[in-house]
Amino acid sequence: DAKTTQPTSMDCAEGRAANLPCNHSTISGNEYVYWYRQIHSQGPQYIIHGLKNNETNEMASLIITEDRKSSTLILPHATLRDTAVYYCIVRVALYGETSGSRLTFGEGTQLTVNP
Amino acid sequence: EAQVTQNPRYLITVTGKKLTVTCSQNMNHEYMSWYRQDPGLGLRQIYYSMNVEVTDKGDVPEGYKVSRKEKRNFPLILESPSPNQTSLYFCASSFGGSEQPQHFGDGTRLSIL
Repeated sequence: DAKTTQPTSMDCAEGRAANLPCNHSTISGNEYVYWYRQIHSQGPQYIIHGLKNNETNEMASLIITEDRKSSTLILPHATLRDTAVYYCIVRVALYGETSGSRLTFGEGTQLTVNP
Repeated sequence: EAQVTQNPRYLITVTGKKLTVTCSQNMNHEYMSWYRQDPGLGLRQIYYSMNVEVTDKGDVPEGYKVSRKEKRNFPLILESPSPNQTSLYFCASSFGGSEQPQHFGDGTRLSIL
C-alpha cells in the first residue's frame, strides 16, 4: 500500500484558506487520493478524491502534483466547524476496478480553525 | 436521508457476554465494512463484505464475526468480548468500485469490563 505523510497539526484563521499537504511518494498509477475528515469522534466524512487532475466540489479543492507524489487539500474559507482531523488516504483496490476496497487511515492532520 | 445507522451508540458490558452491533444502510450499497478506532492506531478494518453472503477478513478480525444475509445489514458480532475490544467502532458502506467514497455511521463506543 502506498503510505501517506501529513503534518501532525495545523492552525488556520477563520475565513482564510486552509491548505493541508500530503505526501504519497510511492503511489501507484491506478491509486486514487482521498481526503476524509473526522470531527471529534464522529464518523469520518468524505471530502473529495482524485486520480490525476485537480478536483473541486462544494466542500474543497484537491490539487495533485504532476508526478502525483503529493497533494494539497484546500478549504477556501475555513470556518470554526472545519476544525477536525483530516486524513489523506491512498486507496488500494483489492480485486480490480469493479470491487470495493479498504481505507487505510493514518494519524491525519489536526486542523484547528481559530476565531 | 441517505445514511448508515449503527446501534447501539454506546454500550458497557462485561467480559464474555455475547453482543451484536447492528449496521444498516439505505443507499443500496454493495460494499460494507467495519472499522475500529483506537488512540494512536488510527482506524483499522475488521471485516468487509463485497455483497450479500460475501465477507472477508480485514486487518484485525480476531475475536469478531460478521454476516451479510441482506444487502442493507452488516452486523458485527462479538461472541466472547474481552477488555482489549474496548474501542470506538464504525460501520461504512459504498457502491462497488475502487473509486467510490465510503459513507460512515456515527460510531459505537464499546466498553468491555
